[in-house]
Parts: sequence; C-alpha cells; structure tokens
Amino acid sequence: EAGVAQSPRYKIIEKRQSVAFWCNPISGHATLYWYQQILGQGPKLLIQFQNNGVVDDSQLPKDRFSAERLKGVDSTLKIQPAKLEDSAVYLCASSLMGGSSYEQYFGPGTRLTVT
Amino acid sequence: GQQVMQIPQYQHVQEGEDFTTYCNSSTTLSNIQWYKQRPGGHPVFLIQLVKSGEVKKQKRLTFQFGEAKKNSSLHITATQTTDVGTYFCAGPNTGFQKLVFGTGTRLLVSP
Repeated sequence: EAGVAQSPRYKIIEKRQSVAFWCNPISGHATLYWYQQILGQGPKLLIQFQNNGVVDDSQLPKDRFSAERLKGVDSTLKIQPAKLEDSAVYLCASSLMGGSSYEQYFGPGTRLTVT
Repeated sequence: GQQVMQIPQYQHVQEGEDFTTYCNSSTTLSNIQWYKQRPGGHPVFLIQLVKSGEVKKQKRLTFQFGEAKKNSSLHITATQTTDVGTYFCAGPNTGFQKLVFGTGTRLLVSP
C-alpha cells in the first residue's frame, strides 16, 4: 500500500513570497489533514477535510493560508504572503474516516524555511 | 481550549535503562493515541487506548490509560538505540472531530 505523498520535501522562500504544497493521501482515505509542526513542538492541525468538504479550519490563518481538496483526493495548501514565523514542517496526513478514533497516516512533510 | 501536556520534555538514558513518558489532559478523553516521530521523520501511529485503566503491550513498550481517562503513560523497558525519537500522545477535542497532539517527549538513548 502506497503511503501519503507530499511535495516538495524542502522549500526556501523569502518573506512576502508565496508557496504551495501538494499532498496525495492513501487511496480510499476520506479524511485529509494538514498540520504545521514548529521545531520542538507537536503537530498543530491547520485544516481537516472530509472528502472535499472542510470539517475544521479553526486554526488556519485565513488571511494568508488557503487549502483545497477539489475532487476529494489530493490537496494543496498555499501560503501567501509568507512570514518568518511560517518556517515549519507542513505535514499532510490521512485516515480512513474522520473523527478522533481513527489512526492517522502521515506523509514525509515539507520543510519550509522563510528568510 | 483543551491542552495535552507531556512530561518530561526530554530524557537522555543509557541503552538498557527504562523510560517512561506521561501524558495529561485538561479534559476527560474518550480515547488516546500514541505516535513516534524519529529525528527528521514523520509521526507514526503506535497504538490507541479506549477503556478506562486499559493496559496494552507491544514488545518492550507498555501503554496505560488512566482510570479517570485524563492521563496516559508509555513505558519502554530496556531501551535500545532504535527507540530514539519523540513520543507524542494525542487525544480528541471536545467535539471528537480532531486530535490534539501533546507537547511530546524527546528520548535520546546512548549506546
């Protein structure tokens, strides 16, 4: 079974630039998550999709972050414009269904450095 | 909002020593999950606990869910260098829609 795929693996941009990340979840997984993990901290949920609908985006900084999962499969997360504090690893995860009782499978992440 | 705290933040042990990390929630949890993240890697699911007082074992790892379902622990017997990484607990938020990850415990094992 193929795992969660993410690209790019690394990205360096200057502040005020824009950046986009891509995620392809495990086939058949209805729920897709985007997390932000700052060095030394636990993953923080940015947005959760159930198929192509948003379940939770309460911690997504909507003035600069956006995400979509148009066909209910792969997803993109965009930051525009980036700030220095956005430097982090962005993890995509998927699970068979939503809710907190399902195991989440994480992708390798994208390490973003904003200079 | 809900908080999930872990102690210690960091522990350095000699190979063969035991290790325990504790997870405490500000609210009662319906279930708790544990994940391991190797240095430079991504979180990998280890186990889920659901019942009050539940104890589960995976080889040298023992997971326990507190009687009040507000705390949990992970104990590793006779650590090995392959145990190096950060261990996270994660519990559901009030609406049970999402997981809230703990602060993590970073384990370093010296040979």
